[in-house]
Formats: sequence, structure tokens, C-alpha cells
Amino acid sequence: DGGITQSPKYLFRKEGQNVTLSCEQNLNHDAMYWYRQDPGQGLRLIYYSQIVNDFQKGDIAEGYSVSREKKESFPLTVTSAQKNPTAFYLCASSQALRVSQYFGPGTRLTVL
Amino acid sequence: GQQVMQIPQYQHVQEGEDFTTYCNSSTTLSNIQWYKQRPGGHPVFLIQLVKSGEVKKQKRLTFQFGEAKKNSSLHITATQTTDVGTYFCAEHTNAGKSTFGDGTTLTVKP
Repeated sequence: DGGITQSPKYLFRKEGQNVTLSCEQNLNHDAMYWYRQDPGQGLRLIYYSQIVNDFQKGDIAEGYSVSREKKESFPLTVTSAQKNPTAFYLCASSQALRVSQYFGPGTRLTVL
Repeated sequence: GQQVMQIPQYQHVQEGEDFTTYCNSSTTLSNIQWYKQRPGGHPVFLIQLVKSGEVKKQKRLTFQFGEAKKNSSLHITATQTTDVGTYFCAEHTNAGKSTFGDGTTLTVKP
């Protein structure tokens, strides 16, 4: 059963701690993305990766970091430098850039 | 940077009424994608439009891409309660940048 998995669904962290969100896909897609969604707003691109070992900053990359060591995996680290980390984080993948994206179920991060 | 404006922000309709959301850009779009996000869920891809003036239909949904490729619309005929959710337009470029509108949230009163 192909798809994108994100875990956990809900995550709570104390302020000042780094936290890593996982994203795994078995769709054999080359491109992967991370978005942030705040209540009542659209999706804002954090980072994207077109191929393994390569990734690019999106519109709001400050305070975040990523890695793409495997085609299937694109973890996102929310660092303590991110001023307002509480949000809904969505991972997506696509066969290539410029085509439709498939989204995971998301992780709701709350920083206390 | 590129901005995609979407209106209205909210739309409340009676079941059976029609619904339309509009997406506008100040610059030419390379393509337009439409997604639906149910409450508490994640965005699900609906359709992609690429050509100037393109019109595509999916049952009660009609998608249009403007002649100048600066605007797009999604029209739902005879809404049903299953249509509830937030509809987003987005542009995905060859450079990897993805820009989403802020979405139109549709509520349907039975």
C-alpha cells in the first residue's frame, strides 16, 4: 500500500528543544517537500528536495533544517532558533517538480 | 515573491446551491493545481491545469484556467455536505518553488 507516512501525529516539546519530524514515502518519488500550515492559512514551503543528497530552502527555512540521505526519507528538524514553532507540519512528495504533490497526514507540533 | 490570492476566504451555502472560489496572480502562472483539505485532514490533489483557457470537469466540479494564465476558478454545482472543506489553489514551478493560496473554506448547511 503506497503512500506517505508522518509520525507522530501529535508532538509536544518544551521551548528550547530541537525536535525532528519524520517523513517516509514508498511511492518512489524523486521530489519531497516540507510545509508549515498555521490556523486559517495556506501552506508555506519550508524546504524541498529534488533528489537524494540535495535540498533547497523554501520561503520560510529559518530555524529549520533537513537531510535527504535516502530517496524514501526526508526528516525535518525544528530547531530552538525557530521563533514560533507551534504549527501543523505537512510533508509531501511528487514524481518531479511542477507536478501534483501527495501529502502525508501531518504532524501537529506544540511547543510549550 | 510570487503571490497567489484566493477569494473568498469563507463561503457558507445551503446544500444544493452552487459554489465558486477564485485564484488570482499578478504574474503569469506556469500551471495551477487545486487541492481539497477536509477539516482535520491533509490536502488532497484534485486537478492540474497547464494550458491557457483550459477547462476540466470532475463530476460536479469544473476547473478553469484563464486565457492569460493569471487566474483560475473552481466551481461546484449543487453542493453536498461531502464537499465541506478548504479548497486551495497552488503553483508548482520547475525551480521547485510551490506557492499556495490561503484557501477558501466551504461550509454546507443541510
